[in-house]
Amino acid sequence: AQSVTQPDIHITVSEGASLELRCNYSYGATPYLFWYVQSPGQGLQLLLKYFSGDTLVQGIKGFEAEFKRSQSSFNLRKPSVHWSDAAEYFCAVGAPTGNQFYFGTGTSLTVIP
Amino acid sequence: DVKVTQSSRYLVKRTGEKVFLECVQDMDHENMFWYRQDPGLGLRLIYFSYDVKMKEKGDIPEGYSVSREKKERFSLILESASTNQTSMYLCASSLYGGLAYDEQFFGPGTRLTVL
Repeated sequence: AQSVTQPDIHITVSEGASLELRCNYSYGATPYLFWYVQSPGQGLQLLLKYFSGDTLVQGIKGFEAEFKRSQSSFNLRKPSVHWSDAAEYFCAVGAPTGNQFYFGTGTSLTVIP
Repeated sequence: DVKVTQSSRYLVKRTGEKVFLECVQDMDHENMFWYRQDPGLGLRLIYFSYDVKMKEKGDIPEGYSVSREKKERFSLILESASTNQTSMYLCASSLYGGLAYDEQFFGPGTRLTVL
């Protein structure tokens, strides 16, 4: 069965610092990969997704993610964090066969001034 | 912009009550979903629907049922609410196609407390 792991429950960074949120998946083939963000009091919003092709994916709000097949990872990055980036971030995996979709457990990001 | 609305932001019910959570989307999406979100567990799929009157069980359907009589509306029903159903409930929709690859658009959530 496929699964998705976000090893960091909570991360704190200073405003202006770089950010990397980790995501690892378990699946026999290359799955569809997503990052969603949930700002306080709001629903989830798609940041970016990877299906195939270029392994570095650009998303909204200055985020990017890199698919690394050898590490079964899809880490989210941002070069300079803004206070408004404080939110919960979810990695998600879709299986091309079997029509399955799973969210990770989320990483909560705190941004300090 | 796609808008997904949920009937209540906060709801308090008593054990054994029948609870209805309503979700409406305004962009003619084919697929609709109900998730529950719990700390440390992320989002777990309860049910989804890919067409009017059609439904599929997700990962945790026990204790829940759903209804989709119109394309834009998807209801989650707790037949007899229990305290372990206290949670945040999120509704989502997607345009068409498979569960695995469509972007999902989410409502703001309903925080349900069962006393």
